[in-house]
Amino acid sequence: DAGVIQSPRHEVTEMGQEVTLRCKPISGHDYLFWYRQTMMRGLELLIYFNNNVPIDDSGMPEDRFSAKMPNASFSTLKIQPSEPRDSAVYFCASSLWGRAVGQPQHFGDGTRLSIL
Amino acid sequence: DQQVKQNSPSLSVQEGRISILNCDYTNSMFDYFLWYKKYPAEGPTFLISISSIKDKNEDGRFTVFLNKSAKHLSLHIVPSQPGDSAVYFCAASPSYNSGGSNYKLTFGKGTLLTVNP
Repeated sequence: DAGVIQSPRHEVTEMGQEVTLRCKPISGHDYLFWYRQTMMRGLELLIYFNNNVPIDDSGMPEDRFSAKMPNASFSTLKIQPSEPRDSAVYFCASSLWGRAVGQPQHFGDGTRLSIL
Repeated sequence: DQQVKQNSPSLSVQEGRISILNCDYTNSMFDYFLWYKKYPAEGPTFLISISSIKDKNEDGRFTVFLNKSAKHLSLHIVPSQPGDSAVYFCAASPSYNSGGSNYKLTFGKGTLLTVNP
């Protein structure tokens, strides 16, 4: 079975440019999560969706960040305008949360973003 | 403030010996805990989990122990193999009925395990 697929794997762009990261969750999973990993802060949850609806975006750092999930098989995380401090690895994860005791989240291989 | 702490950034063990990775948490509402393994240039991979109703969960060479009174959990790998060399993350989430955002995982910063042949 295909896992969570993220694209691009690497992105290098100049400050001020718009950046769009893409994610295809595992088919049938009803939760989708966006994380950011940095040396200073580790893995941080930015936003998550349930059935394509954003549930909690309290981790989104600024209004420059936005995320959408137009359908069950696709999500985007957009940064506009980008800044050097946005440089990090961004992970997407999905899960099937059918019971009170949770199911594990399955991660993609991440997008390494460098803003020059 | 870090709610999940992995105080050892790195650990080195010999092949065949036991690896013990530790994790402490501060939020008493956490009651579901997971360990993830991460290789370079890959995403974290789920390894093993434990609910607060248990104090031990075992899966092959991997065992997780939970001490709720001490707010401490540990991952034991026996015997350790060179392929276990990776970064290990501890993660926690609050109870289903805590009223909070119970699907949110809070991660520690990870421990780099190196298993020497």
